[in-house]
Amino acid sequence: KQEVTQIPAALSVPEGENLVLNCSFTDSAIYNLQWFRQDPGKGLTSLLLIQSSQREQTSGRLNASLDKSSGRSTLYIAASQPGDSATYLCAVFNDYKLSFGAGTTVTVRA
Amino acid sequence: DADVTQTPRNRITKTGKRIMLECSQTKGHDRMYWYRQDPGLGLRLIYYSFDVKDINKGEISDGYSVSRQAQAKFSLSLESAIPNQTALYFCATSRVAGTRNEQFFGPGTRLTVL
Repeated sequence: KQEVTQIPAALSVPEGENLVLNCSFTDSAIYNLQWFRQDPGKGLTSLLLIQSSQREQTSGRLNASLDKSSGRSTLYIAASQPGDSATYLCAVFNDYKLSFGAGTTVTVRA
Repeated sequence: DADVTQTPRNRITKTGKRIMLECSQTKGHDRMYWYRQDPGLGLRLIYYSFDVKDINKGEISDGYSVSRQAQAKFSLSLESAIPNQTALYFCATSRVAGTRNEQFFGPGTRLTVL
């Protein structure tokens, strides 16, 4: 069974600092990994998808890396802003489904 | 805009009642999913459907049933609701292209069972 872990569970940083969010998974036979953002009580917004053959993906201030052999992914958010405050979820796709981590809740202090 | 919609957005019900949550999508995706989210546990898969005639149980299907009425519609039913089914429920869709499976989520339904 795929287990996905996100550490830390919560993170608070001052505005402007770079954010580093970690995700680890136990079964490296994945097809892709997806990072989501969730605002309180809201749905999930897809941020980045990295296919298993890729090492990283970038979108604006966001960069996600994937090391499939070690079962790790990292989401970097450059120059954080208060609007980046949210919960970030990592999910890996193998077999027929996504397996989710519990998320990292980020607070960016103005 | 192509989208995933869920109705109702909030529902409070009593133990023993039958509840249906509905999901519609305009993305034209074949695959649809139902998840529940509980605090600190992440999202867990309840049921998934690869097309209208292909419906499968996920990891926590007990107490739930589904119906895929059309490619665009996927409903989740709680036949006899119980308090530990209080959660945030999400519908999602995806289209698979090779090994790429990107999922898109609806806004969620907050269900409270008293």
